[in-house]
Amino acid sequence: ELKVEQNPLFLSMQEGKNYTIYCNYSTTSDRLYWYRQDPGKSLESLFVLLSNGAVKQEGRLMASLDTKARLSTLHITAAVHDLSATYFCAASSRMNRDDKIIFGKGTRLHILP
Amino acid sequence: DAMVIQNPRYQVTQFGKPVTLSCSQTLNHNVMYWYQQKSSQAPKLLFHYYDKDFNNEADTPDNFQSRRPNTSFCFLDIRSPGLGDAAMYLCATSEGKWNEQFFGPGTRLTVL
Repeated sequence: ELKVEQNPLFLSMQEGKNYTIYCNYSTTSDRLYWYRQDPGKSLESLFVLLSNGAVKQEGRLMASLDTKARLSTLHITAAVHDLSATYFCAASSRMNRDDKIIFGKGTRLHILP
Repeated sequence: DAMVIQNPRYQVTQFGKPVTLSCSQTLNHNVMYWYQQKSSQAPKLLFHYYDKDFNNEADTPDNFQSRRPNTSFCFLDIRSPGLGDAAMYLCATSEGKWNEQFFGPGTRLTVL
């Protein structure tokens, strides 16, 4: 059964600092997603990672995937207050019998001015 | 712009009074999903349609039903809402099962 774990679950950091959110998954996955959710809002797709070594960047956010380690990271560079949100990773695998997308619990990121 | 639309955005109902939430999409995606999300939790999948093929999650209460009359529309019916059903309900679509999902703005349900 595919399981997805994120850490940390809560992160408070100062503007200008760098930090990384980690997403581990338990079985073979062929796609990894990162979503952003602002309070009271819906989920916004940030990145789709489909292959080992995939790296995608958008502004101050960079996501990577290591399928051998079953690990994806979301790196924040020189954080700004606007990046405060909850970030979810999700994994899916068509190779699993229990074929579905599984979400992590989310990382609530608070960036202090 | 192609999008996923949910109506209403806010719904207040009374304990036990049936309610229907609607979702429509202009993306022409073949898969539509309904999620329930409670405060500070991850979205929880209730069911999904792959074209007309309905798939219910094992732990989705019988109180929750869904209809997909055509490709563009999907409805979530809650037959007898309880206080524990108060949540944000998110509709999502994808082209192909378990591919990148595009979420609607959500409907926040309050049960009095």
